[in-house]
Amino acid sequence: SQQGEEDPQALSIQEGENATMNCSYKTSINNLQWYRQNSGRGLVHLILIRSNEREKHSGRLRVTLDTSKKSSSLLITASRAADTASYFCATGGTSGTYKYIFGTGTRLKVLA
Amino acid sequence: DTAVSQTPKYLVTQMGNDKSIKCEQNLGHDTMYWYKQDSKKFLKIMFSYNNKELIINETVPNRFSPKSPDKAHLNLHINSLELGDSAVYFCASSDYDQETQYFGPGTRLLVL
Repeated sequence: SQQGEEDPQALSIQEGENATMNCSYKTSINNLQWYRQNSGRGLVHLILIRSNEREKHSGRLRVTLDTSKKSSSLLITASRAADTASYFCATGGTSGTYKYIFGTGTRLKVLA
Repeated sequence: DTAVSQTPKYLVTQMGNDKSIKCEQNLGHDTMYWYKQDSKKFLKIMFSYNNKELIINETVPNRFSPKSPDKAHLNLHINSLELGDSAVYFCASSDYDQETQYFGPGTRLLVL
């Protein structure tokens, strides 16, 4: 079965609020990435966190990784209407593999 | 100056036809991928090429045949199209570390 599963499947918040999305996976990973997909577009890489890291920041994004629980979270602070998109986690296997498994995605809607 | 481009953007065709989708990247990357995204937004890897060599070949019907004439191009040919092939097909590329992936805009295939 698929590696990553996001939770919730859909999230609707008001502009200015924070949005938190979670990703769970099943096997050991080398790194975990988050991508954003705007409607009708390709995926855009947001942030990568390695298996030996616990937290990473990039602008309004904060990603955590708990390898003992095989889970990660993506926090978007002070959300904007432009953040409306689907967010996917992708898990990379052990070194040397070219294969990333994408989760099912969280559809975020930020209301102005 | 699109980094990863795909043609065509839309493809509507009849069952049984043969069609091709082309992908080009101008990022100088070594690795290219084909993904299929179904109507539920689930993104699944199909193939990956590294330096023109096939390195990932997932459980995909042999009606799908990728071809990499050079490092910058990865085309996907589909024979005898079926209704279930209707999806959005994304091409992506990544650098030597095979980490961050850069996606094309997608090709929306509809088989009637």
